[in-house]
Amino acid sequence: EPEVTQTPSHQVTQMGQEVILRCVPISNHLYFYWYRQILGQKVEFLVSFYNNEISEKSEIFDDQFSVERPDGSNFTLKIRSTKLEDSAMYFCALGDTNSYEQYFGPGTRLTVT
Amino acid sequence: AQSVTQPDIHITVSEGASLELRCNYSYGATPYLFWYVQSPGQGLQLLLKYFSGDTLVQGIKGFEAEFKRSQSSFNLRKPSVHWSDAAEYFCAVGADFGNEKLTFGTGTRLTIIP
Repeated sequence: EPEVTQTPSHQVTQMGQEVILRCVPISNHLYFYWYRQILGQKVEFLVSFYNNEISEKSEIFDDQFSVERPDGSNFTLKIRSTKLEDSAMYFCALGDTNSYEQYFGPGTRLTVT
Repeated sequence: AQSVTQPDIHITVSEGASLELRCNYSYGATPYLFWYVQSPGQGLQLLLKYFSGDTLVQGIKGFEAEFKRSQSSFNLRKPSVHWSDAAEYFCAVGADFGNEKLTFGTGTRLTIIP
């Protein structure tokens, strides 16, 4: 099972500030995903990223969100101007092109105050 | 659009008892189905998956699940639960062309009593 790390584990930020959440896959993958889980709710899809391009995004993923692989390894999610309702656990996932399995990182807990 | 329903929000079972967690999906074609487990404060760990073939699939930690197309169900089972199985369990569905987004159910919280 591929290993995925996410940094930071917990981020506290003030409303209106920009945050960058990082995902570091230990092995080579082509498919990347971001999901979020608001406390007590289900896991929701945000965006998928394939071959250095967004392949699909949800209605949650508005202009305040962006993703990129700046150095070919790290996979980042940026929220430009955070809102209170962005408080959630954000999970990065890697997709295996052969098994179609998705492997999730431990998550980053984002708290917007 | 695909969707998943987990009708049981919370289930309590005694240690050593059998377990069945229900999952119903909605998808137009043959779905890719998954069960994940989430321990408190942790990420999601894949328990098992179904893509095609044998409708009874085996996973890790002694779990199994059965795909029933006629009932649009993919229920998770374990013959004898252990205290360490206490966690949140999520069923998810993906599109049949693979590597697509997963749509999750709302989860079932499992409590184990001695």
